[in-house]
Amino acid sequence: SQQGEEDPQALSIQEGENATMNCSYKTSINNLQWYRQNSGRGLVHLILIRSNEREKHSGRLRVTLDTSKKSSSLLITASRAADTASYFCATDDEGALIFGKGTTLSVSS
Amino acid sequence: GAVVSQHPSWVICKSGTSVKIECRSLDFQATTMFWYRQFPKQSLMLMATSNEGSKATYEQGVEKDKFLINHASLTLSTLTVTSAHPEDSSFYICSARPAFFGQGTRLTVV
Repeated sequence: SQQGEEDPQALSIQEGENATMNCSYKTSINNLQWYRQNSGRGLVHLILIRSNEREKHSGRLRVTLDTSKKSSSLLITASRAADTASYFCATDDEGALIFGKGTTLSVSS
Repeated sequence: GAVVSQHPSWVICKSGTSVKIECRSLDFQATTMFWYRQFPKQSLMLMATSNEGSKATYEQGVEKDKFLINHASLTLSTLTVTSAHPEDSSFYICSARPAFFGQGTRLTVV
């Protein structure tokens, strides 16, 4: 089963702009992870945020977590064409990941 | 970090044949591995949990007789798609730990 929704489903921006993706989930969590998937390729783990954390940064990535609203957001700052990919949030259910539906990001130069 | 190797990366097979996909943990032992499936333009869905030395646990709606999982050692899990049909064409990917995935296998059934 899928954990929840991601919003928006698709996002098109220009290089240099920021991209924000949101994820909602249904159950209580220990952590939430964000992944990137380039077209037809495998998954790249971006960042993990624990349930007791509210915000986490990694390079141009900023992730927030609001457990009261069961939601998370991924912000990519100063986007590049190479950021074009699908982005998924996922929650950990005893080692198995439950993925959101994903956001397809297109960054044009 | 932990490395998971999946093979083959892509395969084309005829309807009715079987295809085996391997997932190996290269530098650690994995008593549990996970298999996911992703249809085009969709998200990844957990298919089954592979348990070393015991039967796999399948998610609802996944046919265990069609998707045979064997986890005979602590470093290898295999997924065999039996009697493949075009609707089984998909991207299959394994994980030995959260955040550590194989490269994925693109299966096309013609």
